[in-house]
Amino acid sequence: GAVVSQHPSRVICKSGTSVKIECRSLDFQATTMFWYRQFPKQSLMLMATSNEGSKATYEQGVEKDKFLINHASLTLSTLTVTSAHPEDSSFYICSARRTGTYEQYFGPGTRLTVT
Amino acid sequence: AQRVTQPEKLLSVFKGAPVELKCNYSYSGSPELFWYVQYSRQRLQLLLRHISRESIKGFTADLNKGETSFHLKKPFAQEEDSAMYYCALSGGRDNYGQNFVFGPGTRLSVLP
Repeated sequence: GAVVSQHPSRVICKSGTSVKIECRSLDFQATTMFWYRQFPKQSLMLMATSNEGSKATYEQGVEKDKFLINHASLTLSTLTVTSAHPEDSSFYICSARRTGTYEQYFGPGTRLTVT
Repeated sequence: AQRVTQPEKLLSVFKGAPVELKCNYSYSGSPELFWYVQYSRQRLQLLLRHISRESIKGFTADLNKGETSFHLKKPFAQEEDSAMYYCALSGGRDNYGQNFVFGPGTRLSVLP
């Protein structure tokens, strides 16, 4: 158990458009989900913590109006990159923390390319 | 502020040799430390965490608060251990989430 999926796995979009990435916990409930960004050959950088039914908590330097996070249910969180620019191109990874535990389970990631 | 350092970007050892992946941290409170592993073309997965004091796939890690370290060790490396290893620290920030900080990662290459 404890599988996390992300959709889409890859997306290419044009500058100025918005892209939505979904993160789902398939077989468990996740009160908290996390969104990370990973640049090539670098470590994961936490962008925001998404809490079901409340506003996300953003890390310093992450624009909340650019990276919209919605955690509408215990199994789904979405990240919307608004007005995308080429510098937003990256690998976005989500993780979900099973309610009542400390462990995070990671999704496979979404590669976003903005042209 | 929380910080995790892994001094080695790449560590190469021969099969059967002992391996130690270093991790040091800075945190003012009582941290929770984790090791995550990412095999080629796979997602990140939890390897072990300090509070469980368990051995997974032959790996162990002991939290040394005096040295603020959480080094990952295995007495006899196997080729299938080749992967990217991330040390991570969690310092609870509020009632909901955890403030996870990942180290830069160490790529372990086990040579035949």
